[in-house]
Amino acid sequence: DTAVSQTPKYLVTQMGNDKSIKCEQNLGHDTMYWYKQDSKKFLKIMFSYNNKELIINETVPNRFSPKSPDKAHLNLHINSLELGDSAVYFCASSQGTVNEKLFFGSGTQLSVL
Amino acid sequence: QQQVKQSPQSLIVQKGGIPIINCAYENTAFDYFPWYQQFPGKGPALLIAIRPDVSEKKEGRFTISFNKSAKQFSLHIMDSQPGDSATYFCAASRGATNKLIFGTGTLLAVQP
Repeated sequence: DTAVSQTPKYLVTQMGNDKSIKCEQNLGHDTMYWYKQDSKKFLKIMFSYNNKELIINETVPNRFSPKSPDKAHLNLHINSLELGDSAVYFCASSQGTVNEKLFFGSGTQLSVL
Repeated sequence: QQQVKQSPQSLIVQKGGIPIINCAYENTAFDYFPWYQQFPGKGPALLIAIRPDVSEKKEGRFTISFNKSAKQFSLHIMDSQPGDSATYFCAASRGATNKLIFGTGTLLAVQP
């Protein structure tokens, strides 16, 4: 049973399209995250939710909108996709919000053509 | 502005060698310093972590050395194996937040 699962694993789309990435964790954790890993492997936090409440919102274009329907799910919707959005997006979860171990999913490789 | 600087970018060692990866940070408010290991096609996984009240932490073949005054910490991998070949990331976070700031990563290759 995968602890943090995200779908799809690969996403290829045209510029201007809207797409969503889904994430689910079965660890019973309270906190979930979205991270972006660029082509140089640099990992940067985008958002964090704790018990469905947004607690970290980095400087991310408002074309990116996270949604947490419950504490086991955190989805990422991206409007009007741009070439620069191409990256690997990782969902992660942790038990709490203070210096906790992150459990990452396997990533979604997004390619915008 | 890179708050956590990591070096080297890549590293090749022979099996049994001791690769050392170094990180330096700027923000003295950081109080949690983990290392993550990432294999191709997978998400990062926590390897070992340290807090600034200790100077060294060892878990199995992995050791973190921490120098608070120099604002530096490093990962040592003892008796490295080909299976240790991966990308290693240092990170830092502060206080009542789990906002991890990652280093730029080190691609380690352990040759048989």
